[in-house]
Parts: sequence; structure tokens; C-alpha cells
Amino acid sequence: DAMVIQNPRYQVTQFGKPVTLSCSQTLNHNVMYWYQQKSSQAPKLLFHYYDKDFNNEADTPDNFQSRRPNTSFCFLDIRSPGLGDAAMYLCATSRDNSGRAPSTDTQYFGPGTRLTVL
Amino acid sequence: GDSVTQMEGPVTLSEEAFLTINCTYTATGYPSLFWYVQYPGEGLQLLLKATKADDKGSNKGFEATYRKETTSFHLEKGSVQVSDSAVYFCALSKIYNFNKFYFGSGTKLNVKP
Repeated sequence: DAMVIQNPRYQVTQFGKPVTLSCSQTLNHNVMYWYQQKSSQAPKLLFHYYDKDFNNEADTPDNFQSRRPNTSFCFLDIRSPGLGDAAMYLCATSRDNSGRAPSTDTQYFGPGTRLTVL
Repeated sequence: GDSVTQMEGPVTLSEEAFLTINCTYTATGYPSLFWYVQYPGEGLQLLLKATKADDKGSNKGFEATYRKETTSFHLEKGSVQVSDSAVYFCALSKIYNFNKFYFGSGTKLNVKP
């Protein structure tokens, strides 16, 4: 089945130690998103890739970076994790062809990676 | 700007009770509306969607109707089960803006046997 996969499901890192979370998709969608979700809150968009174009949300800290080496994969890098970065990180995909078919207005989410910072 | 307002939880119901979770939106243009469900420790799963006024989305016994006149997309289910216990998010998106989602704050549903 076509899907969005995130690895690992659980990640433990130490304060200040860089960590990378990965996301892959078999949907061939051109847009990929990274969200941060803290307990009992809605997901917060960090950034998205539209094809190869990186788009940062204005309030995303510089500590968060992303790479998209190809259509299928996207990585979230946290350069120096702080205790406040402990959260669930969600990857999602969508197809946006600027209104040309086939576009979809739906985002498809992966299962998430739970990050713990010690 | 665009936004979604969702009723606060938690909502606690007995099994087989009727469920309503209110959702209203503010948006320019013609957004699509969604309900997502999140089970503990999991990502968001699409529950249902509607793309234009008067459309009704439905799935697994859940329904929601896109009401442009009241800018609402309330989620309903006639008879909830314990397995429906989860957090429900209402959201809107617009296809010409990289499908950016605006989420409500989420409503936690607890269903007791």
C-alpha cells in the first residue's frame, strides 16, 4: 500500500546532541511537510518542501533544518536539541499542482516519531 | 486570516451515545474541510472530508456536512464505541496555497463501556 513511513518511531537524544528524523513516501507526492506536535496540542507546521523548494514557517527556530534529497525522502535535522524540543514530529505529504489535475487537497500523515531529550 | 475553532474537550460519553463535536471556520475563498483522528501515540488519520458547500463527508459511521451559511463542519456519529476514543482535529486547506492546513485545537473523546 502507498504510504508515509517515519523512522524511527521513538528517538532518544541528549541535550545538545544533533539528531535526524527521516520520512519516506511511496505516494509520489510533490509536497512534504514537517510538523511538531506537543502534548494535547494541534500539529504546528515547521516547514514544507514544494518539489525541491524549501519553505520555512516564519516562527520556526533556526535549530530546525530539513533536507529533501529526492521526491521520496525528507529529513528533519535538529542541530542542538533542547528540552523544549521534546515532542512528536509528524511528516505529511500532499500533491499540489496549482490546480491542475491531479491535485489533492488532502495531507497524508505518517505515524510520527516521538523525540525524547534527556 | 484563515482559522478553525473547535469545541474544547474532553468529551466523555457512554458507549452507544450520540456524538457531536462542533467545528467552525473562518476563511476566504473556498476551502476544503477535514476531520482527522489521532489515536494515542499515532499520527493523524484522515477520517472524512468535504470540498464544497453542502457536501457531506462520511466514514466509519461518522458524518459532517459543509455548511457555508454557518461556516461550520460539525462531526457527528449516531452510536459511539469504546474504540472511537481518540483526539479529533478539524482542519481546512486551500488547494492554491500548497494545501496549507489550519487545524483546530483538537477534541479528546473518551468513550466508556
